[in-house]
Amino acid sequence: QEQLVESGGGVVQPGRSLRLSCAASGFPFSRFGLHWVRQTPGKGLEWVATISYDGGQKYYTDSVKGRFTISRDNSKNSLFLEMSSLRGDDTAIYFCAKEQGWLNGLYNYYLDVWGKGTTVTVSS
Amino acid sequence: AVQLTQSPSSLSASVGDRVTITCRASQGINSALAWYQQKRGSPPNLLIYDASSLESGVPSRFSGSGSGTDFTLTISSLQPDDFATYYCQQFNSYPLTFGGGTKVEIK
Repeated sequence: QEQLVESGGGVVQPGRSLRLSCAASGFPFSRFGLHWVRQTPGKGLEWVATISYDGGQKYYTDSVKGRFTISRDNSKNSLFLEMSSLRGDDTAIYFCAKEQGWLNGLYNYYLDVWGKGTTVTVSS
Repeated sequence: AVQLTQSPSSLSASVGDRVTITCRASQGINSALAWYQQKRGSPPNLLIYDASSLESGVPSRFSGSGSGTDFTLTISSLQPDDFATYYCQQFNSYPLTFGGGTKVEIK
């Protein structure tokens, strides 16, 4: 069974750093791109970052560029999000999600497996 | 960035009703659109990809249509398990973006 489990969330003061992890199981991890998506309590979803299957390509939403770094360790089936200079508006539930991958000869980027999320609260 | 506008933001419907949710993109995104269902306390669940392809395991009462800028998610006969919030997401270009969501409530 394909599974993603996030960890590393918590309460952190503004300006500090936090590292989120996402442990994967049940699928060939190194063959799929991965994403971080966040959700403010009671509000909608916001895409945060994407990393390609081999880590060679990374994309970020504008509000986190220069502050957040997405990375992966394919030998440990793990995805990470290093967050620095945290602000109040970074407070959210952070989900990791996996791309669908190869389907009928085409690679699909849609997010078919999601973790349950880890909560980050930025507050003094 | 491509903006996705969902409408309505909420709706009330009864079991058995046909429900339609729309998602409009600020620029053309071909068919690179997904629909998700999210229930309280749970992550989103992929329903539709490529605008109209049904994800494996998703009931056939869900369907998607559209291309370019206008997309629709239809639930042909609303079931008790379908009361949730629905989101569209575009994958045509970075930054990836989500619609604001449509909450489907019991009438």
